[in-house]
Amino acid sequence: AQRVTQPEKLLSVFKGAPVELKCNYSYSGSPELFWYVQYSRQRLQLLLRHISRESIKGFTADLNKGETSFHLKKPFAQEEDSAMYYCALKTSYDKVIFGPGTSLSVIP
Amino acid sequence: EAGVVQSPRYKIIEKKQPVAFWCNPISGHNTLYWYLQNLGQGPELLIRYENEEAVDDSQLPKDRFSAERLKGVDSTLKIQPAELGDSAVYLCASSLVGGSYEQYFGPGTRLTVT
Repeated sequence: AQRVTQPEKLLSVFKGAPVELKCNYSYSGSPELFWYVQYSRQRLQLLLRHISRESIKGFTADLNKGETSFHLKKPFAQEEDSAMYYCALKTSYDKVIFGPGTSLSVIP
Repeated sequence: EAGVVQSPRYKIIEKKQPVAFWCNPISGHNTLYWYLQNLGQGPELLIRYENEEAVDDSQLPKDRFSAERLKGVDSTLKIQPAELGDSAVYLCASSLVGGSYEQYFGPGTRLTVT
């Protein structure tokens, strides 16, 4: 079965603290993983994708095929990082499956 | 560039009534998606178009939902008749090719069925 899980519905961290949003996936093929973000009153938008191996707004994510994980990390959280974060998996048939999302709240 | 345009933004209807949502993707994007998003959940794909062809409609409840993308540009999603459980946000997205490329989302239509 193809599935994306995000175990935390809510995550609160203090400003300046490290943050890690967890994502695990289930897929027998070769996955492509993405993180999408939705800020308050804004549209869902792409944050980063694993094939780019880039850092966006200080966030990074590494695909770990052994643990089937794609956790999103940032060393120092900022208030503007407060948002809803969705992990997504693209299958070999170009189907994109989204996780349930994690709401990140950065406390000043 | 206005991005993906959806209308209406909000819709309240009584159960058993029909409803239609409209989406205009970003110019040049040949792939268009309709997603359903329930409260507290991630988007779930209803249908994906490559130009005019529906290449994945496996999750579309075809007894009451229908969609079309005439001329490979705008798209309309229809529900007839609506049920209480259809209350959700309906998202439209577009991309250049398939899922490997960034999907650009519209603002969504929030449907309330009473």
